[in-house]
Amino acid sequence: KAGVTQTPRYLIKTRGQQVTLSCSPISGHRSVSWYQQTPGQGLQFLFEYFSETQRNKGNFPGRFSGRQFSNSRSEMNVSTLELGDSALYLCASSLAVLAGGHSYNEQFFGPGTRLTVL
Amino acid sequence: GQQLNQSPQSMFIQEGEDVSMNCTSSSIFNTWLWYKQDPGEGPVLLIALYKAGELTSNGRLTAQFGITRKDSFLNISASIPSDVGIYFCAGESNAGNNRKLIWGLGTSLAVNP
Repeated sequence: KAGVTQTPRYLIKTRGQQVTLSCSPISGHRSVSWYQQTPGQGLQFLFEYFSETQRNKGNFPGRFSGRQFSNSRSEMNVSTLELGDSALYLCASSLAVLAGGHSYNEQFFGPGTRLTVL
Repeated sequence: GQQLNQSPQSMFIQEGEDVSMNCTSSSIFNTWLWYKQDPGEGPVLLIALYKAGELTSNGRLTAQFGITRKDSFLNISASIPSDVGIYFCAGESNAGNNRKLIWGLGTSLAVNP
């Protein structure tokens, strides 16, 4: 089974530009989450989509937006890029796991897109 | 946003040493998860804990779900060079059918062969 794929892997943009990142989840996974990772800041949650609807949202400005398509593929868009947007953007698809009568979500991460804003 | 208190922030150890890291929270979680991120890759789930007081092992890894449901630790015994990476704890809370994950900031582990 193919894992989560993200394109592109590397991207260089300049301030003020906009960027679109793409994520293809594992087949059968309907939930896709996006994270921003910078050194020392861990994984900052951006948003989660489930069945084409945004289910949860983190504390990022409106310049960050996303969407999910009917095939569960997701895109993330950042408009008016700032230097501080330079980061690794990770996408994760998740699957509910049932173990010992308990259910939790396991997230499967892609390799990320490394965005550099100059 | 809300974040878990994960410590230590970084560790530099000799191969063969044992490692311990922990996470605490002011909130109660139904599930604690430990992920590892290898350099250049996304995080991968190591251990899932879902019973308060539960101790779970996965090879050289041992993790515990604190009895108060507000903390967890991860131990790595006899470390090897491939243990290098960033370890993240995450707590999952359920609000109806809406599950939310809260993450720690990570523990960066370096192993000197």
